[in-house]
Amino acid sequence: NAGVTQTPKFQVLKTGQSMTLQCAQDMNHNSMYWYRQDPGMGLRLIYYSASEGTTDKGEVPNGYNVSRLNKREFSLRLESAAPSQTSVYFCASMDYEQYFGPGTRLTVT
Amino acid sequence: GENVEQHPSTLSVQEGDSAVIKCTYSDSASNYFPWYKQELGKRPQLIIDIRSNVGEKKDQRIAVTLNKTAKHFSLHITETQPEDSAVYFCAATYTGGFKTIFGAGTRLFVKA
Repeated sequence: NAGVTQTPKFQVLKTGQSMTLQCAQDMNHNSMYWYRQDPGMGLRLIYYSASEGTTDKGEVPNGYNVSRLNKREFSLRLESAAPSQTSVYFCASMDYEQYFGPGTRLTVT
Repeated sequence: GENVEQHPSTLSVQEGDSAVIKCTYSDSASNYFPWYKQELGKRPQLIIDIRSNVGEKKDQRIAVTLNKTAKHFSLHITETQPEDSAVYFCAATYTGGFKTIFGAGTRLFVKA
């Protein structure tokens, strides 16, 4: 039982490049989430998926897209990365408690 | 919209003292209140939670209290130890919905 896994762990992008962050959970949870955490800050919700086939915007969705590929997987895409998207990205899944992945540290230069 | 306010943003205590972190939520439909601890460079992890039908819950040195009327809940850590140093986040969830709203976090320093 791996819980929530994320890839990659680290990524450096140049402005304008695109990439997809991958997330998978093996706990059979319906709800999955993407957060960003800037240095010294709290967690801000980017997008969430209440169940397979549905996605909704969170607090800071601009510049991102998501895909709920199946019940296990929820990916986050940056189409044209900007320096303001430099952050640590956490994926999570939830029953009552939120279970977080280990995070992806993204730097955009 | 929904909001969770958390205070203080930074808290420094001497080892062995108690630490209290307070949160206020806005959505009266919230009925589940977890607390997460995040060590440097790590993911947030649940340390204790409380549901709306309970006023207090304790687990060894940590306890959480909830006042639904005032929409306040608090984390209490007694006999603090240096390994308690971390960032603590409160959160509020409406379990009929899908969003958890997090507080901004409290950075706790425990001085040996």
